[in-house]
Amino acid sequence: DIQMTQSPASLSASLGETVTIECRASEDIYNGLAWYQQKPGKSPQLLIYNANSLHTGVPSRFSGSGSGTQYSLKINSLQSEDVASYFCQQYYDYPWTFGGGTKLELK
Amino acid sequence: QVQLKESGPGLVQPSQTLSLTCTVSGFSLTSYSVHWVRQHSGKSLEWMGRMWSDGDTSYNSAFTSRLSISRDTSKSQVFLKMNSLQTEDTGTYYCARNFDYSGDYFDYWGQGVMVTVSS
Repeated sequence: DIQMTQSPASLSASLGETVTIECRASEDIYNGLAWYQQKPGKSPQLLIYNANSLHTGVPSRFSGSGSGTQYSLKINSLQSEDVASYFCQQYYDYPWTFGGGTKLELK
Repeated sequence: QVQLKESGPGLVQPSQTLSLTCTVSGFSLTSYSVHWVRQHSGKSLEWMGRMWSDGDTSYNSAFTSRLSISRDTSKSQVFLKMNSLQTEDTGTYYCARNFDYSGDYFDYWGQGVMVTVSS
């Protein structure tokens, strides 16, 4: 199975700050990567797919980048509604696997 | 509008079988795959398996021996059955969809159903 290592596990940032979350795959996943946001008590919501494509309706302050085994999610100008957990998911090879998650809080 | 909704028992005894239903609306099961994903207590997510739009299935080998996914297209429902449940199977179970002709990312998820395995 492809292991997805996400960092950091938790993050505290101020409003307006830029935040970056990393995801490293145990092998090349050829941009088969998605990012999800999950708020407490809610289901995950798709933010980014194919490593860098913004899902419909997602604010443009979210962006994804990377290639090979290294990927990142960037949130520009952090808003209060961005407080959530974030997960990466690879869909290059079965079984699809997820990163351990990053819990983002406000400082 | 697109909706997925999971239903099933909240409590299952150890060694028993879990049966969940995902009822969908706003799209056709013959155009989209429906996947099952579970989450332990807000921790990471685990992909379990899928029902393809053509009726085929794929499973995570971690569950293959005890997991079965089926569907009833006339009722727009996808079913999960997993036997020999243990306490480690406690968690929230989600169904989610993806379009078969795109990457396997999930653009819509159900609200999830919490399952506790306990005697």
